[in-house]
Amino acid sequence: DVKVTQSSRYLVKRTGEKVFLECVQDMDHENMFWYRQDPGLGLRLIYFSYDVKMKEKGDIPEGYSVSREKKERFSLILESASTNQTSMYLCAAGSFAFFGQGTRLTVV
Amino acid sequence: GQNIDQPTEMTATEGAIVQINCTYQTSGFNGLFWYQQHAGEAPTFLSYNVLDGLEEKGRFSSFLSRSKGYSYLLLKELQMKDSASYLCASGGGANNLFFGTGTRLTVIP
Repeated sequence: DVKVTQSSRYLVKRTGEKVFLECVQDMDHENMFWYRQDPGLGLRLIYFSYDVKMKEKGDIPEGYSVSREKKERFSLILESASTNQTSMYLCAAGSFAFFGQGTRLTVV
Repeated sequence: GQNIDQPTEMTATEGAIVQINCTYQTSGFNGLFWYQQHAGEAPTFLSYNVLDGLEEKGRFSSFLSRSKGYSYLLLKELQMKDSASYLCASGGGANNLFFGTGTRLTVIP
């Protein structure tokens, strides 16, 4: 199985801050994904990547960007955090989407 | 467009069998996935069906009918630890997943 590790379990940031969420996988897999999960809305895809320096927009990319400089690392960036970005963020890797433990981000 | 429907909540008794249904409409279908998610935790992969029929894995089985756009997850010999949300997801043509909102299963003694 792919092991996926997210840098933080809980984060509290202020409105307007630039926020970096880091994700690392240990199985050399090409596919990596960032989702957010909100009550009643399920998991929604923000961005995904098939290879280094490659990225594709998902269903809700507005307000986010991503970076994939190395195959094992996929970063999600909130350029200017807003309160409506308070959510659970989940990184996944592999064709079967093995998930990291999630980062619960609160923007105040 | 893409759409996945599954019941919002279900309750079942310890030791019983429960079936969680999922209907889907997606473009570029590339398989049907089931995940288990305990409260406050990340989803964990349970099963994957790409061909019609039943896939059995211990107490859990998953069924797919592509012609009907229908799948179900069958949980046998229910245990209290099976109380969780169960997420149905369809693999899109771009090899990414479209998730339903999940079914919250409560197992009672």
